[in-house]
Amino acid sequence: EAQVTQNPRYLITVTGKKLTVTCSQNMNHEYMSWYRQDPGLGLRQIYYSMNVEVTDKGDVPEGYKVSRKEKRNFPLILESPSPNQTSLYFCASSSDRIGGEWYGYTFGSGTRLTVV
Amino acid sequence: GNSVTQMEGPVTLSEEAFLTINCTYTATGYPSLFWYVQYPGEGLQLLLKATKADDKGSNKGFEATYRKETTSFHLEKGSVQVSDSAVYFCALIPGGGGNKLTFGTGTQLKVEL
Repeated sequence: EAQVTQNPRYLITVTGKKLTVTCSQNMNHEYMSWYRQDPGLGLRQIYYSMNVEVTDKGDVPEGYKVSRKEKRNFPLILESPSPNQTSLYFCASSSDRIGGEWYGYTFGSGTRLTVV
Repeated sequence: GNSVTQMEGPVTLSEEAFLTINCTYTATGYPSLFWYVQYPGEGLQLLLKATKADDKGSNKGFEATYRKETTSFHLEKGSVQVSDSAVYFCALIPGGGGNKLTFGTGTQLKVEL
């Protein structure tokens, strides 16, 4: 089954304790992206990657790091989490445009992070 | 920059009622437009899309028409069901390349018996 898998689904941590949220896709997609979802703000892009070793900042990158060492994996790293990073996080992947048309992102099920 | 504006929710309807969720956008050129749906406790699923002016996207009884003249992409369904209760997001990708999705804030729909 084609899917994007995120882990963990739920995480409660303390301020300052480094954590990693993993993301893996099995569709050989070039593009991968991380979003955070907050009430009243919709989804905002944190980081994205266009291919292996190619990453760039989205709209809200502060406090986050990513890496893309393999095509299928795109972990999100919080080096020193703070309470304002409490949110629902989504990983997503997509293929490149085919014939100029884009076919849409596939989203993971989400990771609900609470930083206390 | 690019932006998407959706009507605020929550929207509460009775089963079999007609649904409209308004969406307007700001973007240069000719973006591609999307509706995503998020069921409780799940990730986002692509509901429908339209990639050029006057295109109509449709899926599961939902429809939306890309209106360039009014920069709108309103979501409609003729007869909603309880199972349609979810949060609906309008989104765009700019024309001319790139894969960054810009989302609206989402509209929660609740359908009651």
